[in-house]
Amino acid sequence: ETGVTQTPRHLVMGMTNKKSLKCEQHLGHNAMYWYKQSAKKPLELMFVYNFKEQTENNSVPSRFSPECPNSSHLFLHLHTLQPEDSALYLCASSQNLGTGGETQYFGPGTRLLVL
Amino acid sequence: GIQVEQSPPDLILQEGANSTLRCNFSDSVNNLQWFHQNPWGQLINLFYIPSGTKQNGRLSATTVATERYSLLYISSSQTTDSGVYFCAVGEDSNYQLIWGAGTKLIIKP
Repeated sequence: ETGVTQTPRHLVMGMTNKKSLKCEQHLGHNAMYWYKQSAKKPLELMFVYNFKEQTENNSVPSRFSPECPNSSHLFLHLHTLQPEDSALYLCASSQNLGTGGETQYFGPGTRLLVL
Repeated sequence: GIQVEQSPPDLILQEGANSTLRCNFSDSVNNLQWFHQNPWGQLINLFYIPSGTKQNGRLSATTVATERYSLLYISSSQTTDSGVYFCAVGEDSNYQLIWGAGTKLIIKP
């Protein structure tokens, strides 16, 4: 148990569906992250939020839409996805957003399959 | 940007064996972390080690920053050590972690 939870754990959706992934951290952290992990590839950082404000969008397609209503919750809204978007989506949090070596704590991930 | 290379990509060992995993990086870093991802996808931070040596039970890590590599040692391996081990680094001016491709470790009983 890392203090970061994600729901759902598994999701199957068609290309025309709309769904949302949810992440919640119980650590009192200020920064939250969305990562995509595809088979045989390094983790890809998608979005970063610091004190609810988006600080990073790594050229992610607009069919992925993040939302951070407060420092404890992070959502990833999905619509009109493509089969190549099938992957493990990981949420993480850290105390702050700094260059001094912030340890990131990860949720268990949502395994997404797009048909 | 910084390149991170991990070796070996795959490692299969018998329970009780020792192993050494390596992470090479192409430029100076101020942040280096080792993570373990279990077969169900959960990532756990093992060490924050931009330089020096740390130990935690059967695991230890050493980073030689001047030579741009880090080593993760696992002694007396157990089946629960199976999974993928990732090295991730960060630069002075950037909070983003740059991830290696991982070493997949399988411990056979």
